[in-house]
Amino acid sequence: AQSVAQPEDQVNVAEGNPLTVKCTYSVSGNPYLFWYVQYPNRGLQFLLKYITGDNLVKGSYGFEAEFNKSQTSFHLKKPSALVSDSALYFCAVRDIYNTDKLIFGTGTRLQVFP
Amino acid sequence: NAGVTQTPKFQVLKTGQSMTLQCAQDMNHNSMYWYRQDPGMGLRLIYYSASEGTTDKGEVPNGYNVSRLNKREFSLRLESAAPSQTSVYFCASSDTAYNQPQHFGDGTRLSIL
Repeated sequence: AQSVAQPEDQVNVAEGNPLTVKCTYSVSGNPYLFWYVQYPNRGLQFLLKYITGDNLVKGSYGFEAEFNKSQTSFHLKKPSALVSDSALYFCAVRDIYNTDKLIFGTGTRLQVFP
Repeated sequence: NAGVTQTPKFQVLKTGQSMTLQCAQDMNHNSMYWYRQDPGMGLRLIYYSASEGTTDKGEVPNGYNVSRLNKREFSLRLESAAPSQTSVYFCASSDTAYNQPQHFGDGTRLSIL
């Protein structure tokens, strides 16, 4: 079965420190992976995607993600966290049996402390 | 840029009442989706529409119906609301290509008493 897992419900980090939000996937064949962010009372906003090519993908707001095929991971990273990065983050993978659909993880709440 | 617009933003219903959630997108996308978001469960797909005139069930379709009115609009109907349908509902749209992201509206917060 295809799936994505976000093993941490919450990640806490101090402002200015690097942050990592973890995501692992289970997909047959090539994965098409996405990260989204959700601020309070808002819909999900697209951050970045991995389709093919470089394993390090750069996205919006200074975020990047590292695709690791051997570890089946797609971790979201940022070198220096901001308080304004505090939000809910979702990893998603394209459903290879129905490419119209995305399969979402359960989300990770990022809390950045001043 | 409007993107995906959902109405209403908030609604309180009594058990057994019906209502329709509206969604419209102005990006000329072929695919549209309805999700519900519940604490600790992420997003669950209710229904989706790959193109105008087609709809398909997602993960949790029971108790819901949808209509793809035209390319822009995709509505979700609760015929007889139940407390278990209390949730935040999101509409999304995307281009058909597999490498394109989905774009989300800001949600409808629905409480059923």
